[in-house]
Amino acid sequence: GAVVSQHPSWVICKSGTSVKIECRSLDFQATTMFWYRQFPKQSLMLMATSNEGSKATYEQGVEKDKFLINHASLTLSTLTVTSAHPEDSSFYICSARDLSTGSYNEQFFGPGTRLTVL
Amino acid sequence: AQRVTQPEKLLSVFKGAPVELKCNYSYSGSPELFWYVQYSRQRLQLLLRHISRESIKGFTADLNKGETSFHLKKPFAQEEDSAMYYCALSGYSGAGSYQLTFGKGTKLSVIP
Repeated sequence: GAVVSQHPSWVICKSGTSVKIECRSLDFQATTMFWYRQFPKQSLMLMATSNEGSKATYEQGVEKDKFLINHASLTLSTLTVTSAHPEDSSFYICSARDLSTGSYNEQFFGPGTRLTVL
Repeated sequence: AQRVTQPEKLLSVFKGAPVELKCNYSYSGSPELFWYVQYSRQRLQLLLRHISRESIKGFTADLNKGETSFHLKKPFAQEEDSAMYYCALSGYSGAGSYQLTFGKGTKLSVIP
């Protein structure tokens, strides 16, 4: 099946620094990737939809200047948390659609990145 | 707006007992529904989708449009079924885009 990887798996940073998280589709091309945030014991909340070659679409309440998304190729999307603060600490998960599976709406998920801001 | 409701945060059953994880949805169009599972320390993975009408690991789910439900069922629970289960709805979000909306999840614990 389609495989999505994320790097790094976990990161600890100081308040005020920026952190970049990568999401890659390993064996398929993904024109669309999604970024989710998951707080402890809560569900996944969609942050933004990342479209290859165009601007990301952010969900209401998500600061686009805070969470920069770049989807420069068909296999890579990056999420940069700028000027991170402790309240940004969370589990960030990406997913991608593999249109070759025939299911437009099925998403394949990465393993997630645990961000801790001190 | 689309919404997915999973009323139970935690469901504990004994091994061999039947399992039903409830999911109700709200969506104005024709939805596509999924069940995702997350085993301990693993990534979220697709368990089944309503359009496939398949049984995966003994689990089935039937879409009931009248009751707007998509409950997940298994006749005999196994210990390895213990995991977090998320019901998700794929709906049109505008501008040619579809997105997944997740329920809050139900943690299934199968007691040996």
